[in-house]
Amino acid sequence: KAGVTQTPRYLIKTRGQQVTLSCSPISGHRSVSWYQQTPGQGLQFLFEYFSETQRNKGNFPGRFSGRQFSNSRSEMNVSTLELGDSALYLCASSPRGGRTNEKLFFGSGTQLSVL
Amino acid sequence: GESVGLHLPTLSVQEGDNSIINCAYSNSASDYFIWYKQESGKGPQFIIDIRSNMDKRQGQRVTVLLNKTVKHLSLQIAATQPGDSAVYFCAENIGDDYQLIWGAGTKLIIKP
Repeated sequence: KAGVTQTPRYLIKTRGQQVTLSCSPISGHRSVSWYQQTPGQGLQFLFEYFSETQRNKGNFPGRFSGRQFSNSRSEMNVSTLELGDSALYLCASSPRGGRTNEKLFFGSGTQLSVL
Repeated sequence: GESVGLHLPTLSVQEGDNSIINCAYSNSASDYFIWYKQESGKGPQFIIDIRSNMDKRQGQRVTVLLNKTVKHLSLQIAATQPGDSAVYFCAENIGDDYQLIWGAGTKLIIKP
């Protein structure tokens, strides 16, 4: 079974631009979560999607958004990029998510650099 | 706010010895705890989990201990190997939704 796939692997943008990151979960997994990882803040939860609906959202500004498609693939978008958005963005999938306390399967992430 | 923290940011262990990585949590209502391992250039990988109704859980070469009295979690790795070099994160599940709160991470270094 293929793992969680994130594209692109690396991305360089300039301040003010917008970016879209993609995540393909493990086949059969319907829950997709997104995390931001920085050396200073560690792993921080962005949002979680299940069956095309956002179920949970972390404490990030509205510039961060996401969506999930009917095939469970997910994208996240960051508009009006700031220098502080430079981070590794991780996507994780699980069969159902939510209250089942399932373990997450992570992709290798997209390393975003904002210049 | 609530947080999960780690006592040591870096841990150096001799190959073959046992490693113990510690984690403190502050929310007594947390009922589920997880350890993940992150190797360089990769996403975190699940190691082991434990629910709050347990004190100990064992996996392959790993043991997680939970002390609810002092809100402390530890990960023990037996016979540490070079492949164990990574950053180890503890995380807790707060509330009904699957929104993990992560610790800062401990880097485990294996000395030959």
